Amino acid sequence: SQQGEEDPQALSIQEGENATMNCSYKTSINNLQWYRQNSGRGLVHLILIRSNEREKHSGRLRVTLDTSKKSSSLLITASRAADTASYFCATDRYNFNKFYFGSGTKLNVKP
Amino acid sequence: SAVISQKPSRDICQRGTSLTIQCQVDSQVTMMFWYRQQPGQSLTLIATANQGSEATYESGFVIDKFPISRPNLTFSTLTVSNMSPEDSSIYLCSARGTSGNTIYFGEGSWLTVV
Repeated sequence: SQQGEEDPQALSIQEGENATMNCSYKTSINNLQWYRQNSGRGLVHLILIRSNEREKHSGRLRVTLDTSKKSSSLLITASRAADTASYFCATDRYNFNKFYFGSGTKLNVKP
Repeated sequence: SAVISQKPSRDICQRGTSLTIQCQVDSQVTMMFWYRQQPGQSLTLIATANQGSEATYESGFVIDKFPISRPNLTFSTLTVSNMSPEDSSIYLCSARGTSGNTIYFGEGSWLTVV
């Protein structure tokens, strides 16, 4: 990818379990965002975390950011079958005004 | 938030032809971008569409292959020229809202080159 890697590449869990996805990036950033994509459709914005923030919550989502390690994680708690999708992190590089995407994690939540 | 409409949503194209994808945003945005997503892959930034001037291309993408226009703040086009099967991808238009931080996406245009 243009910006970094995500792991795992694929994750399969049972409904009700938690899912954790990790994103690493290469350069200094203004902020980091997480997106969901269902079956090759358009991307849905989930959550944004700024470079001066360490943790953010939105509903069942929890995002952390460690700028010293250039990494972020997305935790989905109490997963549902409807959470089955690909998840991507995107970084807004400092002074670049553009967004680059990580390699993505394909999540499968089994009912 | 901004709503982004793309057309066509899907097309099958003959090798050697060109196709223009249109992108319309329903509100004022600051920046517009075009991405490519090859099957099973992540999104790769092709270029930033600049209003009234030439687009800014990422490494590996050139204007002759992917000419882009942005005649006003809310409309942009991407042309995929002289297509080959390797150009079979989803092409996504995105826009940065006036708040500056979030980018929004259209539903994408699925192109299959045969």
